Amino acid sequence: QKEVEQDPGPLSVPEGAIVSLNCTYSNSAFQYFMWYRQYSRKGPELLMYTYSSGNKEDGRFTAQVDKSSKYISLFIRDSQPSDSATYLCAMPQGAQKLVFGQGTRLTINP
Amino acid sequence: DADVTQTPRNRITKTGKRIMLECSQTKGHDRMYWYRQDPGLGLRLIYYSFDVKDINKGEISDGYSVSRQAQAKFSLSLESAIPNQTALYFCATSDTGQGKVYNEQFFGPGTRLTVL
Repeated sequence: QKEVEQDPGPLSVPEGAIVSLNCTYSNSAFQYFMWYRQYSRKGPELLMYTYSSGNKEDGRFTAQVDKSSKYISLFIRDSQPSDSATYLCAMPQGAQKLVFGQGTRLTINP
Repeated sequence: DADVTQTPRNRITKTGKRIMLECSQTKGHDRMYWYRQDPGLGLRLIYYSFDVKDINKGEISDGYSVSRQAQAKFSLSLESAIPNQTALYFCATSDTGQGKVYNEQFFGPGTRLTVL
């Protein structure tokens, strides 16, 4: 079993819809939870991060962590075609490296 | 702009050939990483380096080697390329300085490698 699991999709929704992207993880030692966004033919870029449990909001994006269930989510409100990208969850493993989910490919249709 | 650059951006090679992928950064970061990305498998760590004299294997280092020529340069070599090394390769950097987002990594644009 991979340490971080993410449904690779693809996920296709109409413009304006609320999008929910999710990851599960197995290592209870994870404390930081990150979401990276990767546009086609580009490298991933950090979109949001949270520490421990709870919610964090940034504009149309909300990151949610439920440590009791080992489940994290990224919600996108009022989705736009420019949100079309691959979204990867990631968690620092100690001070050395990040463990990534498989990435979910998202398309927002105008 | 401070940045992470990778060369080449695309490469097609044949089985058995030696190939080198290069990464340079102007961010002044001490840590550098090499990943490969395959459909359905996400990003997997090949090697990482915390400074010029520190090189560490990642989860999939077999068939690869690296060289940290300077703080700003980190190259990845495939000594004898094979078809299952066909993938998208990314270099990344991170900064351990105070006030930084914990282990935030900054990625280059990637190299698409095809081994025939």
